[in-house]
Amino acid sequence: SYELTQPPSMSVSPGQTASISCSGDKLGDAYAYWYQQKSGQSPVLVIYEDNKRPSGIPERFIGSNSGNTATLTISGTQAMDEADYYCQAGDNIGVVFGGGTKLTVL
Amino acid sequence: QVTLRESGPALVKPTQSLTLTCVFSGFSLGTSGMTVTWIRQPPGKALEWLAIVDWEDDKYYNPTLKTRLTISKDTSKNQVVLTMTNMDPVDTATYYCARGFYAAVGGRFVRWFDPWGQGTLVTVSS
Repeated sequence: SYELTQPPSMSVSPGQTASISCSGDKLGDAYAYWYQQKSGQSPVLVIYEDNKRPSGIPERFIGSNSGNTATLTISGTQAMDEADYYCQAGDNIGVVFGGGTKLTVL
Repeated sequence: QVTLRESGPALVKPTQSLTLTCVFSGFSLGTSGMTVTWIRQPPGKALEWLAIVDWEDDKYYNPTLKTRLTISKDTSKNQVVLTMTNMDPVDTATYYCARGFYAAVGGRFVRWFDPWGQGTLVTVSS
């Protein structure tokens, strides 16, 4: 079965840039999506179709996808960005999520 | 405004079946491209996709759980129901439903989920 691999955790200082990777075989041939899940809340879509932001998502959230890796970059990370982040891809018959990355802002 | 709400039993016994209902508003599952999906999350663990039903009533399942899952929709009632058979303690999780959109674009597939419901915690225990 298809798998997406993310680092389990990472930390970043406020104001710095966080880059969260998501790797999968030929992931660049598919669209990548990113969800933010804060503690005790439901996931929220923050990036769709590789690099588009839904309405209301700050410009500091940037997505890219090429080759075997999709990346979510958060520039000027803020304390409110501390959360779990999940990548996702899909095709005509199914969906797969990555294992999630816990981002700590300290 | 699009909203979804999951409902179902909070506790089920091992070997029993689980039936969850997702009631939604703000969109129609009869509209081209619209889908509703179920996703679960065991406590402290990652998201796991379960099933999708689309506007044409096509249904797709997680291959590892396919034999245990059934998804159905009632477009007129804005409801989607998920049934999972032979429940086990490892199925303890928060179960979410979410609106989705699907399209095939130049050999790539659009599949996003937004928004999600609040989730319902299901515990499997005797």
